Amino acid sequence: QLQLQESGPGLVKPAETLSLTCTVSGGSIRSSSYFWDWIRQPPGKGLEWIGSIFQSGSTYYNPSLKSRVTISVDTSKNQFSLKLSSVTAADTAVYYCARHDLGGRGELSYLDHWGQGSLVTVSS
Amino acid sequence: QSVLTQPPSVSGAPGQRVTISCTGSSSNIGANYDVHWYQQLPGTAPKLLIYGNSNRPSGVPDRFSGSKSGTSASLAITGLQAEDEADYYCQSYDISLSGSVFGGGTKLTVL
Repeated sequence: QLQLQESGPGLVKPAETLSLTCTVSGGSIRSSSYFWDWIRQPPGKGLEWIGSIFQSGSTYYNPSLKSRVTISVDTSKNQFSLKLSSVTAADTAVYYCARHDLGGRGELSYLDHWGQGSLVTVSS
Repeated sequence: QSVLTQPPSVSGAPGQRVTISCTGSSSNIGANYDVHWYQQLPGTAPKLLIYGNSNRPSGVPDRFSGSKSGTSASLAITGLQAEDEADYYCQSYDISLSGSVFGGGTKLTVL
């Protein structure tokens, strides 16, 4: 049974860098069939895709966040990580990690396994 | 402003049928990319409900069904139950953004 678990600070100061790690258990992050994603959800609002990473390190980012986002992978630890720089109160959200299946044309398809989410608050 | 457009809310009485629409454009749904649906119960992570437009993962009741036509997709829920009260999101791939896009979400209220 694949499980994903987010970890990291729950409080980040404005202008600093938000850092989260997702630990994958019950399956290998080295699989060639999946990407590994970060998605966020501000309180009371909808879902926003942040970005995806393949086991090779190839990444796709949401254009609206691309200048501030870095997603990396550590296959030896079966983990992938998110860094979001220069945060503001607008970055306060529950951050989810998830597994992203690939579609027939190699595109990002559906998200079939999700972590429970980690609330990150940006405040001084 | 979400790339995929959903109604903010829908409602129905127990036992009734409701549908939730998801409207995209020629760079996502209209480009023949699949639509997927998620159910998010209060205080929990989203759960995959429908994948590949109309396929149900194991364990999802057949009361839930999905369809797609042109630049839009729909989620239908028949035999509405109180436990179906949740937020529902559609998701697809957008070729112009080279990434995943979500709808803004629809809150289903069971009356």
